[in-house]
Amino acid sequence: NAGVTQTPKFQVLKTGQSMTLQCAQDMNHNSMYWYRQDPGMGLRLIYYSASEGTTDKGEVPNGYNVSRLNKREFSLRLESAAPSQTSVYFCASSEVLAGRGYTFGSGTRLTVV
Amino acid sequence: SQKIEQNSEALNIQEGKTATLTCNYTNYSPAYLQWYRQDPGRGPVFLLLIRENEKEKRKERLKVTFDTTLKQSLFHITASQPADSATYLCARSWGKLQFGAGTQVVVTP
Repeated sequence: NAGVTQTPKFQVLKTGQSMTLQCAQDMNHNSMYWYRQDPGMGLRLIYYSASEGTTDKGEVPNGYNVSRLNKREFSLRLESAAPSQTSVYFCASSEVLAGRGYTFGSGTRLTVV
Repeated sequence: SQKIEQNSEALNIQEGKTATLTCNYTNYSPAYLQWYRQDPGRGPVFLLLIRENEKEKRKERLKVTFDTTLKQSLFHITASQPADSATYLCARSWGKLQFGAGTQVVVTP
């Protein structure tokens, strides 16, 4: 099925550990995004990639890095996890042209202890 | 800073009635607003988009309005059904999308 695939779905990390969240889309979209969602708060943009080869910071980039590996894949890395990074992470993709909604993955639930 | 706000209280509504959700934003009007549906444990799903020069948009039982004077969008679900129970998010274009926290809708038979 066409869409956005995220792995893993669940992860528990100890403080200070590192990990990479993977995201891939098969809709040939140019733009990809990483959001985090916390209770009572809206989705907050961490990083985005308007096109292959470019990445930019969003609203809450501290503690994260990203890589746009190719047009399909956009990964999010936590170098040294902190309890404040406990959240649900969503990857999304879209066409550059206005008027198209975002397509989201099913999310990664991350707990840092 | 730019803000986008939705009613944080859950909306409880009886089946068959119309649910109306509000989305308010600050400062400049966005080029467009989008509405998404999110079910527990799932990612948001795109429903509707309305541009700033459009007053109203419809899709099946859904209707969205956009009032740039009030800086507000209203989202209506007519003839609501229990299957409409979910959290509904609004988002505005600000370069990238900026999302509200969402409003939970509970439709009871």
